[in-house]
Amino acid sequence: QVQLQESGPGLVKPSGTLSLTCAVSGGSISSSNWWSWVRQPPGKGLEWIAEIFHSGSTNYNPSLKSRVNISVDKSKNQFSLNLRSVTAADTAVYYCARGDTMTMIAYWGQGTLVTVSS
Amino acid sequence: QSVLTQPPSVSAAPGQKVTISCSGSSSNIGENSVSWYQQLPGTAPKLLIYDSDKRPSGIPDRFSGSKSGTSATLGITGLQTGDEADYYCGTWDSSLRAGRVFGGGTKLTVL
Repeated sequence: QVQLQESGPGLVKPSGTLSLTCAVSGGSISSSNWWSWVRQPPGKGLEWIAEIFHSGSTNYNPSLKSRVNISVDKSKNQFSLNLRSVTAADTAVYYCARGDTMTMIAYWGQGTLVTVSS
Repeated sequence: QSVLTQPPSVSAAPGQKVTISCSGSSSNIGENSVSWYQQLPGTAPKLLIYDSDKRPSGIPDRFSGSKSGTSATLGITGLQTGDEADYYCGTWDSSLRAGRVFGGGTKLTVL
């Protein structure tokens, strides 16, 4: 059973960079899947951020693309998210997830709350 | 504003049936399959339906999905109090805003 676990600071200062890592267990990050980040502001819906294939191919949400970088570390079986120039609007629960097809996310991490505040 | 449109809330009594709609366009639902996710309070989303009408292993057949044109529907029969949750539809959008897209979510209340 694939499991995903997010880790990273729970508090980031405005204008700073949000950095999260997702550790994958029970499966290989080199499998034929897209490794995604999805966020959910408090009390709101889901917003897809970006995804990466083990080859390094990426897809980004056009509305966030200018501030986002996603990377994969096959040696550690993990992938990471960097979101630059954050504001209070970036406060959310951030989920890492595995996309089994372009239309389906089969596995989700438990999520980690990141608050942007001084 | 979400790319896919869902009703904010639906409600029904235990044992009854409910449907949740998801409306999109030709660049998303019109040419791609739909997934549905259940999010219980305080937990991560869980896959309920994929490829518009298929259930992953372990999902009871009380949950069903369908798609027609640019809309999709999630059906839940034999409602239980444990079904109270937020439900999201999702797919891929092939337009200039390409990427994974979700509906705004529907809060199901089992009265």
